[in-house]
Amino acid sequence: EIVLTQSPDTLSLSPGERATLSCRASQSVSSSYLAWYQQKPGQAPRLLIYGASSRATGIPDRFSGSGSGTDFTLTISRLEPEDFAVYYCQQYGSSLPWTFGQGTKVEIK
Amino acid sequence: QVTLKESGPVLVKPTETLTLTCTVSGFSLSNARMGVSWIRQPPGKALEWLAHIFSNDEKSYSTSLKSRLTISKDTSKSQVVLTLTNMDPVDTATYYCARLRRDGYNLLFDYWGQGTLVTVSS
Repeated sequence: EIVLTQSPDTLSLSPGERATLSCRASQSVSSSYLAWYQQKPGQAPRLLIYGASSRATGIPDRFSGSGSGTDFTLTISRLEPEDFAVYYCQQYGSSLPWTFGQGTKVEIK
Repeated sequence: QVTLKESGPVLVKPTETLTLTCTVSGFSLSNARMGVSWIRQPPGKALEWLAHIFSNDEKSYSTSLKSRLTISKDTSKSQVVLTLTNMDPVDTATYYCARLRRDGYNLLFDYWGQGTLVTVSS
């Protein structure tokens, strides 16, 4: 099983600041099958990034994804008030089971 | 407009079997590019992938829950059904279904249902 470890667990930032979230895999992950989601309290996850770096439909360009192999990054260039949430990475390549990271909470400082 | 909606019991007893239905609209389960996955989330915890099924009936299951899970679909009803046997309090979670869409070499979990909270308690 591929374990995804996200860091940090919590990121305390102010609106307008840049957020950098990390996702590290225990084995190499195909970039085609690495995604990032945003989840707000009481809501379903929302797809932000797929294929490691492609933005999903309707996602603002302040969200960007990068990385390959075992190290992936989600960057939010300038935090808006609505961006404070929990973010999950997910791998869903040829190696089952598909797995999620434990999440990074981005909170208002 | 693509929508997915989970339905099923809100409370089950230990050892019982959970049956959840995901009813989809806005796309067809017979579309070769489409599938449906189930994911769960215990209260305050992370997401856990459970199973998926594609239009060609290709299925995959969580390794740790494989012996207890069954996924199936009824294309005519636009429904995907997940069963989880021998329920335990640790299975208490919000259960989500999500659409899987093939996009070239990529695969997207692009639409999610609102989720349904299932509590396991006697």
